[in-house]
Amino acid sequence: EDQVTQSPEALRLQEGESSSLNCSYTVSGLRGLFWYRQDPGKGPEFLFTLYSAGEEKEKERLKATLTKKESFLHITAPKPEDSATYLCAVQLPSGGYQKVTFGTGTKLQVIP
Amino acid sequence: GAGVSQSPRYKVAKRGQDVALRCDPISGHVSLFWYQQALGQGPEFLTYFQNEAQLDKSGLPSDRFFAERPEGSVSTLKIQRTQQEDSAVYLCASSLEDRVGQPQHFGDGTRLSIL
Repeated sequence: EDQVTQSPEALRLQEGESSSLNCSYTVSGLRGLFWYRQDPGKGPEFLFTLYSAGEEKEKERLKATLTKKESFLHITAPKPEDSATYLCAVQLPSGGYQKVTFGTGTKLQVIP
Repeated sequence: GAGVSQSPRYKVAKRGQDVALRCDPISGHVSLFWYQQALGQGPEFLTYFQNEAQLDKSGLPSDRFFAERPEGSVSTLKIQRTQQEDSAVYLCASSLEDRVGQPQHFGDGTRLSIL
């Protein structure tokens, strides 16, 4: 069964303390991997798409990387406004369309 | 430009009542998805439309759940004879086309509470 697992479930960082979030997947036929940010009471907001092992993408303090079995979201010198839940999702062909399956998320809290 | 709009934002219903949740996708977006999100969990897939065609409804929890998108734009998720376990946030997302790497754009959801 295709699975997407995110760790840790929750992470508390001091402002400026860099860290990484993990997304591991056991799927066959991965077409793409997405990272989203979700603030309380809001819908997920798209951050990155990664397609193949070795690929990296950056946006401000965030960098996403992909291997054959997992993806990392690196947060460099985080600020309180980076506090949110970060979701990863895998895209697979299914029933004639590109289906997306989400992980359970990592809730990040950055303390001033 | 306008994003995905969902209404109502909050809905409280008594057990056994029927509810209807509305989604206005981004104009011109072909693909439309419905998800259910429980507290502290990721979005769980419910159903997928490509234009007006419902290509996948495998995630609908029971036959009390019904979704439609009759003209290929606005979509409605209907839940009949609601039960307490239906309480959740219902998210709608749209994407421009069904293509590898095409991101989904989400609305802010409808928070449904069944008393």
